[in-house]
Amino acid sequence: DTAVSQTPKYLVTQMGNDKSIKCEQNLGHDTMYWYKQDSKKFLKIMFSYNNKELIINETVPNRFSPKSPDKAHLNLHINSLELGDSAVYFCASSQEGWGQGNTGELFFGEGSRLTVL
Amino acid sequence: KQEVTQIPAALSVPEGENLVLNCSFTDSAIYNLQWFRQDPGKGLTSLLLIQSSQREQTSGRLNASLDKSSGRSTLYIAASQPGDSATYLCAVPSGGYNKLIFGAGTRLAVHP
Repeated sequence: DTAVSQTPKYLVTQMGNDKSIKCEQNLGHDTMYWYKQDSKKFLKIMFSYNNKELIINETVPNRFSPKSPDKAHLNLHINSLELGDSAVYFCASSQEGWGQGNTGELFFGEGSRLTVL
Repeated sequence: KQEVTQIPAALSVPEGENLVLNCSFTDSAIYNLQWFRQDPGKGLTSLLLIQSSQREQTSGRLNASLDKSSGRSTLYIAASQPGDSATYLCAVPSGGYNKLIFGAGTRLAVHP
């Protein structure tokens, strides 16, 4: 039973198209994230949502719009795709805060490899 | 601004060796530090999490230590096996919430 699941796993599309990646977690966590891993394998945070509210928005172009319909889902929509958007996008979740038995451990999905041609 | 550095960038060893992977961070005010493993084309698997009040954590052949004051963590892998071949990443939270800052990783190859 997958804890953090992303779909699709692979996505190949043309420049200028709009695409979405979906993420769901069944861990009961209240915080979800999107990370981007570029061609050099460097992982960097893009967004974070806590209970459907945006709490972290790193300098990501407006073409990227996360949507959180509930705390178990965080989808990523990308408009007008560019070649530089090609990367692996990882969804993750954790329970907010530390202490009181919560370690703040992050759990990651398997990643969605986006290729823009 | 938190920065995480991992040394070495790559490591190739024969099976059976004991290994030490290093991670350093610039801001010692951290709540925890996580070590992850990433296999090629796969997601990240959490290996160990050390809370700021702890000095080390162990899981099987893996032992991670944390020295907050010096901004360092090490991941010790005992009796390495070919199945340990992967990229190992360390990460620390920064700026409140759980915004993880990752190192670039150590790419480990263990050959029979």
